[in-house]
This record gives sequence, structure tokens and C-alpha cells, in this order.
Amino acid sequence: DAGVIQSPRHEVTEMGQEVTLRCKPISGHNSLFWYRQTMMRGLELLIYFNNNVPIDDSGMPEDRFSAKMPNASFSTLKIQPSEPRDSAVYFCASSLTGTDRYFGPGTRLTVT
Amino acid sequence: AQSVTQPDIHITVSEGASLELRCNYSYGATPYLFWYVQSPGQGLQLLLKYFSGDTLVQGIKGFEAEFKRSQSSFNLRKPSVHWSDAAEYFCAVGAETSGSRLTFGEGTQLTVNP
Repeated sequence: DAGVIQSPRHEVTEMGQEVTLRCKPISGHNSLFWYRQTMMRGLELLIYFNNNVPIDDSGMPEDRFSAKMPNASFSTLKIQPSEPRDSAVYFCASSLTGTDRYFGPGTRLTVT
Repeated sequence: AQSVTQPDIHITVSEGASLELRCNYSYGATPYLFWYVQSPGQGLQLLLKYFSGDTLVQGIKGFEAEFKRSQSSFNLRKPSVHWSDAAEYFCAVGAETSGSRLTFGEGTQLTVNP
């Protein structure tokens, strides 16, 4: 199994631009999570999908952030417009049981 | 509300020495407890987990952890550290229900001296 796949691995963009992060969960997993990791705030859950349906998006910072999961094998996290304070490492994780988390390698986002 | 405290931000040990990383949790019911490791530039990898039963759980890479309900602790141990163990370690607590929110600690950065 290839594990959770995220793209791109690194993204540098200018303030105001749209950013789209992509995630392919492990085949057969029915839960998908987006996390953000920063030095100041640690690891934060942004949103959680179960069977492609958003269940808990209370961690999404504001309306500039949106996430979709059109099918069981693909999810996106979009930031529009991006701001410097969005700079972080964004992780996608998937799960079959709901309690375990299998993390992808992350996308390091830098907004200048 | 659930919470996790990792009291040690940074620990340095010599290769071959024993290791104990501390984790204290706050949770209203029987917790599900996890330890993850994050190597530089990588995602988090599950080391071990505790749901119920034997309070001493074995994980990958020679790690073990002991659940102590009376102390609300779930400390991670390894008898002999290898240089490749240098990484950041995260303790996490969650609920029994599927898909529940996991709360992660702030992490402990481990440095291993030769």
C-alpha cells in the first residue's frame, strides 16, 4: 500500500493567491482528516470526513478555508485568498477504524 | 474537555541510554491513548496505542508504554535508544466512538547524542 499521498509537498505562493492542497487516502479507509501544524499552535484538526461527508469542520479557521471530498479516493483543501498566517504544514490522514490515524507526508505551505 | 500534556519540550539522551517520555492526559471516560513519532519532514507514524486490557503495551521500534489510570499518565519508554530514534514524539488521547476528535500533546523533541 502506498500510504496516504499528498501533493504538492511544498507550495510557495503570494498573499491573495488561491492554494489547493490534495490528498489521496489509503484505499478502503472511510475517514479522512485534515490537520495543520505550526510551531505556535501545534497540530490542529481542521476538518473530518466520514464516508465522504464532512462531519466536523469546527476547526476550519475561517471562510477562506474550504474542503471537499468528491469521492472516497480524493480530497482537497482550498485556501482563497491565502494570507501569510496560513503558512504551515498541512497533513492529511485517513482511518478505517476512526481511532487510528495514518498520516501523509504533509504539504509545507509558505505564503509570502 | 480532553487534554494532553507533555511536560518535556526537549530531551537529550546518549545513544544506548534508556528513555522515558512523559504524557499526562485529562479525559472524562476511558481514554484511547496513542503515541506517534514524527521524523523531520515526515508525517506522524503510529508507535503504539492503548484501548483496554493489559496496561503495558508494546509498539514498533522497541517502544513500550504503560497506562496508569491513577496517575492519568501514559509514558513512553525504550530501554536502549538508537541514533535513529531522534525525532519528535506526540502523545494523543481520544474517545471510543469512531471518528472522534484526537487531541494531541505539544510534542517532545528527542535528541540522541553519539
